[in-house]
Amino acid sequence: QVQLVQSGAEVKKPGSSVKVSCKSSGGSFRNYAISWVRQAPGQGLEWVGGIIPMDGTTNYAQNFQGRVTMTTDEFTNTAYMELSSLRSDDTAVYYCASGDASSTSRYFYYYHGMDVWGQGTTVTVSS
Amino acid sequence: EIVLTQSPGTLSLSPGERATLSCRASQTFSSGYLAWYQQRPGQAPRLLIYSTSGRAAGIPERFSGSRSGTDFTLTISGLEPKDSAVYYCQQYGASPPYTFGQGTKLEIK
Repeated sequence: QVQLVQSGAEVKKPGSSVKVSCKSSGGSFRNYAISWVRQAPGQGLEWVGGIIPMDGTTNYAQNFQGRVTMTTDEFTNTAYMELSSLRSDDTAVYYCASGDASSTSRYFYYYHGMDVWGQGTTVTVSS
Repeated sequence: EIVLTQSPGTLSLSPGERATLSCRASQTFSSGYLAWYQQRPGQAPRLLIYSTSGRAAGIPERFSGSRSGTDFTLTISGLEPKDSAVYYCQQYGASPPYTFGQGTKLEIK
C-alpha cells in the first residue's frame, strides 16, 4: 500500500521561498501523478498543480504560474513543490496527493481521482 | 476553467437519514471524471467516489454517486455520526486546472 509522507512544518518570511517534499513509500510512483492541494485556515481545497513523473509533464493552476515549481526524484520516490515570493495569504496546509494517471502532449490526467494523500505540511508566512 | 458549485453549504441531518449533496459544473466535460472527497476535522481528504459513481477501495455501499448532465450528486444513506465532515467534489478529467467545489458541511445531529 502506497503511503505519502510529507516534510515538516515551515515558518517563512514574506518574499522568501519554501520547498515541501512528499516521499512515497511502499512502491514507485512512476505511473502516478502527484498533485499539490492547499487549504488556507478555515477554507476549502485549492488545486495548486501537479506532475507526472513518467514524462515530467507539469500543470499549474493559473494563480500560481511563475511562482511554483514541481519536480520529482525517481531514485528516492520523492516529489517536491517549491513556492516562491511568499505572501501572508500563502499560509495554508499543503497536501500532496497521488493517483494512477497518464498524459497527453499538454497535460496529465487521473484515471480514478487522487486516492492517496499525504498528512499535510503547514506553511506559515509571517514577518 | 470548469467551476464547480456545491449545494447546500451546510446540511444538518439525523442518524439513519439520507443525505443528498449536489455539485454543478459550469460546463459539460466528457468522461465523467468527477470525484468526491470526505474531509473530517484535522484530517487529510479521503477519496470516496471516482468517475462519477465508482466507489474507492474500502468505501461502504452507503456512499453512491450519480450524474445528470452537468449535475452530480453524492448520496449517503443510513447516516452515521462519523459521516460528519466536509465533502468536496473535484473534476479531474477535462484539462487542468483540476478544480474543487467549495464544499458542503454535513452535520449529524
